[in-house]
Order: sequence, then structure tokens, then C-alpha cells
Amino acid sequence: QQQVKQSPQSLIVQKGGIPIINCAYENTAFDYFPWYQQFPGKGPALLIAIRPDVSEKKEGRFTISFNKSAKQFSLHIMDSQPGDSATYFCAAVMNRDDKIIFGKGTRLHILP
Amino acid sequence: EPEVTQTPSHQVTQMGQEVILRCVPISNHLYFYWYRQILGQKVEFLVSFYNNEISEKSEIFDDQFSVERPDGSNFTLKIRSTKLEDSAMYFCASRRDGYGYTFGSGTRLTVV
Repeated sequence: QQQVKQSPQSLIVQKGGIPIINCAYENTAFDYFPWYQQFPGKGPALLIAIRPDVSEKKEGRFTISFNKSAKQFSLHIMDSQPGDSATYFCAAVMNRDDKIIFGKGTRLHILP
Repeated sequence: EPEVTQTPSHQVTQMGQEVILRCVPISNHLYFYWYRQILGQKVEFLVSFYNNEISEKSEIFDDQFSVERPDGSNFTLKIRSTKLEDSAMYFCASRRDGYGYTFGSGTRLTVV
């Protein structure tokens, strides 16, 4: 099954809060799991990515937590800012297929 | 920072007409892609292109679609006879190696 299920569909958080976006997958053949950020009128931009042999990865205020046994991963945004308001997509990639399987996206709004 | 450039940003076409969406990938990238995003839905893979041929295509990419790299810099997506359901945002992406996909800002195609 080449699907990635993402939740919630939308999320509103106060500035400084920690929004958490969750994703689940079924196919254990995926090689890595990127997160993309998309602003209105723009294409998706790579935010951070993780391989399945790593349980956590941090880049600045963005952290991916990865649970291989549960086939779940999540994005946490520390000290969220209004500028983080965007749509976030989790995704999965199989190197042999060379294509990105996107989740349905989470529209995040950070209140000032 | 290098960018993937897409033109036009918005195209309106009559149903049944042919459209060509244009992309200029990053100059030293070797792999090229088209994805589409129907309004409010997830980003979907259409086709990947490497070494002047299609490497992979999705079920969406039927005989009405074609891609071409007519010269050393452009990468085009042609839809021969557009249908209403082809209305979407079309994103071009490119990468050199690893997981560094870079997406363009997209072309919004409206079929009327």
C-alpha cells in the first residue's frame, strides 16, 4: 500500500505553542520520510527528512519523531510563530520508484 | 538560491484544447518530475524523467499527457485534449541526487 495517512486536516495553535502533526504508513519498503512546507501560491519546500533507522531528527525548531514498529511519524514545531502558518505535508519515498507519496496535508495556523 | 522556474503561473484553456506547461529545472539537476495538486487535495505524482526518457509514470499520466526536454534547459508537460478534471496546480520538480527535490511555484491550470 503506497499511502501516507496524515492528521489532523487543520490545526490552530497559539504563538509559542507546539503543533504536532501525525502521519502513518503501511509499506515498510519506504526509504525515507520527508516533510514539506507549502505557502499559498508556492510549491512544496523540503523542511526536514528522516530515515527509518533513526528515531528522532531535529533541525532548528522542527523535530521529526519516528516510530518504526508502529509505522508512524510526527512533526513537532517548537516555539511556533505566525510565520510558520502554512500547509504541511508528510511524505514517503522509495528510492527505487523515485517518487514522493504525499499525505493529504495539514493546514496550520499560528495565532499571534 | 537556485530555483525551478515555471511558466505561465496561470493558464486558462477551453476544454479539448492542447496546453503546454513549461519548466526550467535547476541547471545541474538530472532528474525531472511533474506533480499535480487538485484544489484542496494532496500533491500527486505524475511522471519522472531521466536521461531523456520517462522513468516512471502514474495511472493519471495517460495517453493525453506527454513530457519532453526539447533542449538542455526546458522541461515541458503537454496535455493534448484537456478535460475539466485536469484543472489543478501543476508542479515541476528537479533533483540532482539524494533526496533534494526542488519544486517550482506551479502553474495553475483552469479548464473551462
